[in-house]
Amino acid sequence: AQKITQTQPGMFVQEKEAVTLDCTYDTSDPSYGLFWYKQPSSGEMIFLIYQGSYDQQNATEGRYSLNFQKARKSANLVISASQLGDSAMYFCAMREGPGNQFYFGTGTSLTVIP
Amino acid sequence: NAGVMQNPRHLVRRRGQEARLRCSPMKGHSHVYWYRQLPEEGLKFMVYLQKENIIDESGMPKERFSAEFPKEGPSILRIQQVVRGDSAAYFCASSPTPVLSHTDTQYFGPGTRLTVL
Repeated sequence: AQKITQTQPGMFVQEKEAVTLDCTYDTSDPSYGLFWYKQPSSGEMIFLIYQGSYDQQNATEGRYSLNFQKARKSANLVISASQLGDSAMYFCAMREGPGNQFYFGTGTSLTVIP
Repeated sequence: NAGVMQNPRHLVRRRGQEARLRCSPMKGHSHVYWYRQLPEEGLKFMVYLQKENIIDESGMPKERFSAEFPKEGPSILRIQQVVRGDSAAYFCASSPTPVLSHTDTQYFGPGTRLTVL
């Protein structure tokens, strides 16, 4: 079974609008962390936001927020007030407990339309 | 404080040649991870190293691939006798501490794009 599933290969959003990128995960470990990374066309991986499995509140970082629904095992990224520079690939990732590796989804390509 | 550095950024090899990819972790980081990103896919874990030790190589192909992180110098991912299927982006990440908590993030380098002709 896939550890991380991103079902939206591509998304479009109008500039200044909000957009939600979906991510579901699969784990039986009670302790885990969820991460979102942005990969622009230049290729680097940029860390955006983190949510811990025991965190009571949804994480927020500037225009990024994480809609964490633990019972549904989803960790959707919400980008508010989209900007042209937000056009990129977005990857959801998970680390389980004290494990060493990240599990990545296949990514969502976001295009912001002027 | 320089980030994770990888070189070369682009590498072209012919089938059968060797590819050497280098990664210098962030200052103060002694833990290095290598990931591979095939076209249109997410990153896949390959290996986790500390100085002079391979901690987890469960994602490494059994043949032709090796990694090291010597006491001095960068971490090296080595691919012998490359084949076209090795064409991918190879990312290195580093962290300052052992991964004891799920909250520890990793800081990624810009990646090396390997093209095998």
